[in-house]
Amino acid sequence: GNSVTQMEGPVTLSEEAFLTINCTYTATGYPSLFWYVQYPGEGLQLLLKATKADDKGSNKGFEATYRKETTSFHLEKGSVQVSDSAVYFCALSVTGANSKLTFGKGITLSVRP
Amino acid sequence: DTGVSQDPRHKITKRGQNVTFRCDPISEHNRLYWYRQTLGQGPEFLTYFQNEAQLEKSRLLSDRFSAERPKGSFSTLEIQRTEQGDSAMYLCASGSGRAYEQYFGPGTRLTVT
Repeated sequence: GNSVTQMEGPVTLSEEAFLTINCTYTATGYPSLFWYVQYPGEGLQLLLKATKADDKGSNKGFEATYRKETTSFHLEKGSVQVSDSAVYFCALSVTGANSKLTFGKGITLSVRP
Repeated sequence: DTGVSQDPRHKITKRGQNVTFRCDPISEHNRLYWYRQTLGQGPEFLTYFQNEAQLEKSRLLSDRFSAERPKGSFSTLEIQRTEQGDSAMYLCASGSGRAYEQYFGPGTRLTVT
């Protein structure tokens, strides 16, 4: 079946620190990969996506590269801000499987001033 | 575009009661998904509609759960004879066109006492 594994959290960083959140996956078929973010009191929002190997998704200073050889989609940001404090979910969907999303457990990021 | 809306946002019910949630997707979105999210976990797929047809149901969706999408617009999710284990956030998402993108509503938080 399909599954997503995220690194254990929570993660606490100082403002302007470098961020890496690890995500690996297993999938039957060829998946598209996503990072969703949930800010406090808000719904899930799509942060970025990649639909084929070696694609790089980017948004709001965050980046993630679809690595088929390591089945990974790690999220990075060069300099985090307090406003990046949120819960981050890695997810995948497989074309032809009704495109339903399979999520990781999520990781809470707290950025202190 | 007003986004995906869900009603109610919060529901507290006693064990054994029936509850019904409503989801209004983004206009013209033909795909609609229901997910369930428990504390500390990522959302888990429950069911999928394409227009008015329910095309997939997860094994998580016991026979106490039923979902409808009459006329391919809004959707309802009903839980009969609620149990404490049903306490969770119920999320609705919709999508269209590039099927891998889904837009989430704010969720309905159910508490069964």
